[in-house]
Amino acid sequence: TQLLEQSPQFLSIQEGENLTVYCNSSSVFSSLQWYRQEPGEGPVLLVTVVTGGEVKKLKRLTFQFGDARKDSSLHITAAQPGDTGLYLCAGSTGTASKLTFGTGTRLQVML
Amino acid sequence: DAGITQSPRHKVTETGTPVTLRCHQTENHRYMYWYRQDPGHGLRLIHYSYGVKDTDKGEVSDGYSVSRSKTEDFLLTLESATSSQTSVYFCAGKDRNTDTQYFGPGTRLTVL
Repeated sequence: TQLLEQSPQFLSIQEGENLTVYCNSSSVFSSLQWYRQEPGEGPVLLVTVVTGGEVKKLKRLTFQFGDARKDSSLHITAAQPGDTGLYLCAGSTGTASKLTFGTGTRLQVML
Repeated sequence: DAGITQSPRHKVTETGTPVTLRCHQTENHRYMYWYRQDPGHGLRLIHYSYGVKDTDKGEVSDGYSVSRSKTEDFLLTLESATSSQTSVYFCAGKDRNTDTQYFGPGTRLTVL
């Protein structure tokens, strides 16, 4: 069974601070996706990274895929209360693109 | 993703009863998936489908079956619900050109 370890599990910070969430595995993935989930809703895709070493930016969010395609990070600059939520990473493998999810990072950004 | 809907959104049932959850998509996804989400475990794959009448097991398939009689609909059935199947269930569809999966809003199932 493939495992994706996500850290930290919980993060409570003040508005304006920077943070990084890590997603690590011993397995190689064909792509890695980051989702954000609000209470009572399904995960919403933030980004998909495909190429080893790839960096993608989405406003204040920066996503990086490791060179070996085994790990990824999400960096948020100047966090805002609207960033509060559960962040999930998921690695894709196989022709069916089955996803293996990390257990998530619950972020709370306080005023 | 507005293209994927799930019904019901909430259900309470008793141990031993059969339960069917429905997923409907309007995006012509070939691949569709059922996941369950539990505290401490994240989302885990139950079953998936790679076309009409083509399905396969995921990581936690015991106690579940699926059916896909047409592209738009993917059903998840609990033949005899148990308390361990209390969970939030999500359906997802995969974009035809990428690995990206898009999720429905979820069904919260409680088995008493």
